[in-house]
Amino acid sequence: GAVVSQHPSRVICKSGTSVKIECRSLDFQATTMFWYRQFPKQSLMLMATSNEGSKATYEQGVEKDKFLINHASLTLSTLTVTSAHPEDSSFYICSASTGVGQRRAFFGQGTRLTVV
Amino acid sequence: TQLLEQSPQFLSIQEGENLTVYCNSSSVFSSLQWYRQEPGEGPVLLVTVVTGGEVKKLKRLTFQFGDARKDSSLHITAAQPGDTGLYLCAGAVSSGSARQLTFGSGTQLTVLP
Repeated sequence: GAVVSQHPSRVICKSGTSVKIECRSLDFQATTMFWYRQFPKQSLMLMATSNEGSKATYEQGVEKDKFLINHASLTLSTLTVTSAHPEDSSFYICSASTGVGQRRAFFGQGTRLTVV
Repeated sequence: TQLLEQSPQFLSIQEGENLTVYCNSSSVFSSLQWYRQEPGEGPVLLVTVVTGGEVKKLKRLTFQFGDARKDSSLHITAAQPGDTGLYLCAGAVSSGSARQLTFGSGTQLTVLP
Protein backbone atom coordinates (compact mmCIF):
# COMPACT_ATOMS: atom_id res chain seq x y z
CA GLY A 1 0.00 0.00 0.00
CA ALA A 2 0.90 3.65 -0.25
CA VAL A 3 3.34 5.01 2.32
CA VAL A 4 3.36 8.39 3.98
CA SER A 5 6.39 9.29 6.04
CA GLN A 6 6.51 11.99 8.69
CA HIS A 7 9.67 13.47 10.09
CA PRO A 8 10.66 13.89 12.81
CA SER A 9 8.72 11.38 14.88
CA ARG A 10 9.59 13.25 18.07
CA VAL A 11 10.88 16.76 18.67
CA ILE A 12 11.52 18.82 21.76
CA CYS A 13 12.03 22.54 21.35
CA LYS A 14 12.31 25.64 23.50
CA SER A 15 9.53 28.18 23.79
CA GLY A 16 9.77 30.85 21.16
CA THR A 17 11.51 28.72 18.56
CA SER A 18 10.00 27.36 15.36
CA VAL A 19 9.69 23.71 14.42
CA LYS A 20 9.19 22.24 10.95
CA ILE A 21 7.45 18.90 10.42
CA GLU A 22 7.68 17.16 7.07
CA CYS A 23 5.14 14.87 5.47
CA ARG A 24 6.20 12.91 2.41
CA SER A 25 4.30 10.56 0.17
CA LEU A 26 6.91 7.98 -0.78
CA ASP A 27 5.35 6.09 -3.65
CA PHE A 28 2.49 8.20 -4.94
CA GLN A 29 1.66 11.77 -5.83
CA ALA A 30 -0.37 13.50 -3.17
CA THR A 31 -2.40 16.32 -4.64
CA THR A 32 -3.94 16.97 -1.25
CA MET A 33 -2.52 16.67 2.23
CA PHE A 34 -4.26 17.10 5.54
CA TRP A 35 -2.77 18.13 8.87
CA TYR A 36 -4.31 17.02 12.14
CA ARG A 37 -3.64 17.67 15.78
CA GLN A 38 -4.38 15.14 18.48
CA PHE A 39 -4.36 15.44 22.26
CA PRO A 40 -3.86 12.36 24.45
CA LYS A 41 -6.70 9.84 24.31
CA GLN A 42 -8.66 12.17 22.03
CA SER A 43 -9.61 12.12 18.39
CA LEU A 44 -7.93 13.82 15.47
CA MET A 45 -8.79 17.46 14.86
CA LEU A 46 -8.32 18.71 11.33
CA MET A 47 -6.15 21.80 11.24
CA ALA A 48 -5.82 22.48 7.55
CA THR A 49 -6.06 21.08 4.06
CA SER A 50 -3.35 21.82 1.56
CA ASN A 51 -3.39 21.36 -2.18
CA GLU A 52 -0.16 21.27 -4.13
CA GLY A 53 0.80 24.66 -5.41
CA SER A 54 -1.88 26.64 -3.65
CA LYS A 55 -2.51 28.14 -0.22
CA ALA A 56 -3.73 25.90 2.54
CA THR A 57 -7.30 26.07 3.78
CA TYR A 58 -7.38 26.37 7.55
CA GLU A 59 -10.13 25.18 9.84
CA GLN A 60 -11.90 27.68 12.02
CA GLY A 61 -9.86 28.60 15.06
CA VAL A 62 -6.50 27.56 13.59
CA GLU A 63 -4.09 30.47 13.25
CA LYS A 64 -2.54 30.41 9.80
CA ASP A 65 0.33 32.64 10.87
CA LYS A 66 1.10 30.29 13.73
CA PHE A 67 0.89 27.07 11.76
CA LEU A 68 2.51 27.65 8.38
CA ILE A 69 1.77 25.02 5.77
CA ASN A 70 3.63 24.64 2.53
CA HIS A 71 2.80 22.09 -0.16
CA ALA A 72 5.37 22.91 -2.79
CA SER A 73 5.49 19.53 -4.51
CA LEU A 74 3.28 16.51 -5.08
CA THR A 75 5.25 14.49 -2.55
CA LEU A 76 6.01 16.94 0.23
CA SER A 77 4.05 19.13 2.61
CA THR A 78 5.51 20.88 5.62
CA LEU A 79 3.94 22.24 8.78
CA THR A 80 5.93 24.88 10.64
CA VAL A 81 4.90 25.74 14.17
CA THR A 82 6.16 29.27 14.65
CA SER A 83 7.11 30.81 17.99
CA ALA A 84 6.11 27.62 19.75
CA HIS A 85 4.62 27.68 23.23
CA PRO A 86 4.03 24.84 25.69
CA GLU A 87 0.34 24.78 24.75
CA ASP A 88 1.40 23.83 21.22
CA SER A 89 2.72 20.54 22.58
CA SER A 90 0.70 17.84 20.89
CA PHE A 91 0.74 14.94 18.45
CA TYR A 92 0.62 16.17 14.85
CA ILE A 93 -0.43 13.80 12.07
CA CYS A 94 -0.53 14.28 8.34
CA SER A 95 -2.42 12.35 5.72
CA ALA A 96 -2.15 12.37 1.96
CA SER A 97 -4.71 11.77 -0.74
CA THR A 98 -4.25 11.20 -4.42
CA GLY A 99 -7.12 13.51 -5.21
CA VAL A 100 -10.54 13.53 -6.77
CA GLY A 101 -12.68 10.50 -6.18
CA GLN A 102 -10.23 8.87 -3.82
CA ARG A 103 -11.88 7.34 -0.79
CA ARG A 104 -8.67 6.76 1.02
CA ALA A 105 -6.17 9.04 2.62
CA PHE A 106 -2.93 7.54 3.87
CA PHE A 107 -1.65 8.59 7.28
CA GLY A 108 1.83 9.35 8.47
CA GLN A 109 3.10 7.94 11.73
CA GLY A 110 2.76 11.24 13.55
CA THR A 111 5.09 13.71 15.24
CA ARG A 112 5.17 14.20 18.99
CA LEU A 113 6.01 17.86 19.66
CA THR A 114 7.00 18.92 23.16
CA VAL A 115 7.65 22.60 23.81
CA VAL A 116 9.57 23.31 27.00
CA THR B 1 -20.40 21.07 10.28
CA GLN B 2 -20.53 17.28 10.34
CA LEU B 3 -20.15 15.75 13.78
CA LEU B 4 -19.56 12.12 14.60
CA GLU B 5 -20.33 10.93 18.09
CA GLN B 6 -18.74 7.71 19.25
CA SER B 7 -19.84 5.65 22.19
CA PRO B 8 -18.66 4.51 24.55
CA GLN B 9 -15.74 6.86 25.02
CA PHE B 10 -13.86 4.35 27.18
CA LEU B 11 -14.31 0.60 27.39
CA SER B 12 -12.41 -1.88 29.52
CA ILE B 13 -13.29 -5.55 29.16
CA GLN B 14 -11.89 -9.00 29.84
CA GLU B 15 -10.33 -11.14 27.16
CA GLY B 16 -12.95 -13.24 25.40
CA GLU B 17 -15.82 -10.81 25.82
CA ASN B 18 -17.71 -9.24 22.94
CA LEU B 19 -18.18 -5.51 22.44
CA THR B 20 -19.80 -3.00 20.14
CA VAL B 21 -18.70 0.55 19.41
CA TYR B 22 -21.15 2.99 17.89
CA CYS B 23 -20.60 5.95 15.61
CA ASN B 24 -23.54 8.29 15.07
CA SER B 25 -24.16 11.45 13.14
CA SER B 26 -27.03 13.59 11.97
CA SER B 27 -25.24 14.02 8.66
CA VAL B 28 -25.04 11.71 5.69
CA PHE B 29 -21.61 10.53 4.62
CA SER B 30 -20.61 9.18 1.24
CA SER B 31 -18.47 6.59 2.99
CA LEU B 32 -17.29 5.79 6.47
CA GLN B 33 -14.01 4.40 7.68
CA TRP B 34 -12.85 2.77 10.87
CA TYR B 35 -9.31 3.17 12.14
CA ARG B 36 -7.33 1.76 15.03
CA GLN B 37 -4.55 3.80 16.55
CA GLU B 38 -1.90 2.83 19.04
CA PRO B 39 -0.04 5.34 21.24
CA GLY B 40 2.55 7.37 19.37
CA GLU B 41 1.51 6.11 15.96
CA GLY B 42 -0.74 7.24 13.17
CA PRO B 43 -4.17 5.67 12.68
CA VAL B 44 -4.34 2.49 10.64
CA LEU B 45 -7.30 1.94 8.35
CA LEU B 46 -9.38 -1.14 9.19
CA VAL B 47 -12.24 -0.86 6.74
CA THR B 48 -14.22 1.43 4.46
CA VAL B 49 -17.98 1.04 4.08
CA VAL B 50 -19.76 2.76 1.26
CA THR B 51 -23.26 1.40 0.75
CA GLY B 52 -26.13 1.95 3.20
CA GLY B 53 -26.78 -1.29 5.09
CA GLU B 54 -23.41 -2.71 4.15
CA VAL B 55 -21.79 -5.24 6.47
CA LYS B 56 -18.11 -6.10 6.29
CA LYS B 57 -16.23 -8.68 8.29
CA LEU B 58 -12.55 -8.66 9.09
CA LYS B 59 -11.76 -11.77 11.12
CA ARG B 60 -13.34 -11.10 14.53
CA LEU B 61 -14.41 -7.57 13.59
CA THR B 62 -17.79 -6.83 12.00
CA PHE B 63 -18.54 -3.39 10.60
CA GLN B 64 -21.96 -2.13 9.65
CA PHE B 65 -23.01 1.03 7.84
CA GLY B 66 -26.49 2.29 8.62
CA ASP B 67 -29.14 2.26 5.91
CA ALA B 68 -29.25 6.06 5.87
CA ARG B 69 -25.43 6.31 5.89
CA LYS B 70 -25.51 8.37 9.07
CA ASP B 71 -24.25 5.81 11.53
CA SER B 72 -22.01 2.80 11.84
CA SER B 73 -21.04 0.14 14.34
CA LEU B 74 -18.00 -1.97 15.02
CA HIS B 75 -18.50 -5.30 16.78
CA ILE B 76 -15.58 -7.31 18.09
CA THR B 77 -16.10 -10.94 18.99
CA ALA B 78 -13.96 -12.66 21.61
CA ALA B 79 -11.75 -9.63 22.20
CA GLN B 80 -8.04 -10.16 22.72
CA PRO B 81 -5.43 -7.96 24.44
CA GLY B 82 -4.03 -7.19 21.00
CA ASP B 83 -7.29 -5.41 20.16
CA THR B 84 -6.43 -2.71 22.70
CA GLY B 85 -6.24 0.72 21.12
CA LEU B 86 -8.08 3.88 20.16
CA TYR B 87 -10.80 3.16 17.63
CA LEU B 88 -11.84 6.03 15.41
CA CYS B 89 -14.62 6.27 12.91
CA ALA B 90 -14.30 8.84 10.15
CA GLY B 91 -16.89 10.01 7.69
CA ALA B 92 -15.86 11.05 4.23
CA VAL B 93 -17.39 13.96 2.42
CA SER B 94 -16.38 15.28 -0.92
CA SER B 95 -14.75 18.65 -0.49
CA GLY B 96 -13.61 20.33 -3.64
CA SER B 97 -10.79 18.34 -5.07
CA ALA B 98 -10.31 15.86 -2.28
CA ARG B 99 -12.13 13.77 0.21
CA GLN B 100 -11.98 15.31 3.66
CA LEU B 101 -12.47 13.12 6.69
CA THR B 102 -14.46 14.07 9.77
CA PHE B 103 -13.28 12.01 12.71
CA GLY B 104 -15.42 10.69 15.50
CA SER B 105 -14.66 11.39 19.13
CA GLY B 106 -12.88 8.06 19.55
CA THR B 107 -13.29 4.97 21.72
CA GLN B 108 -10.41 3.88 23.91
CA LEU B 109 -10.61 0.10 24.23
CA THR B 110 -8.62 -1.86 26.79
CA VAL B 111 -8.78 -5.64 26.74
CA LEU B 112 -7.47 -7.20 29.92
CA PRO B 113 -5.83 -10.63 29.83
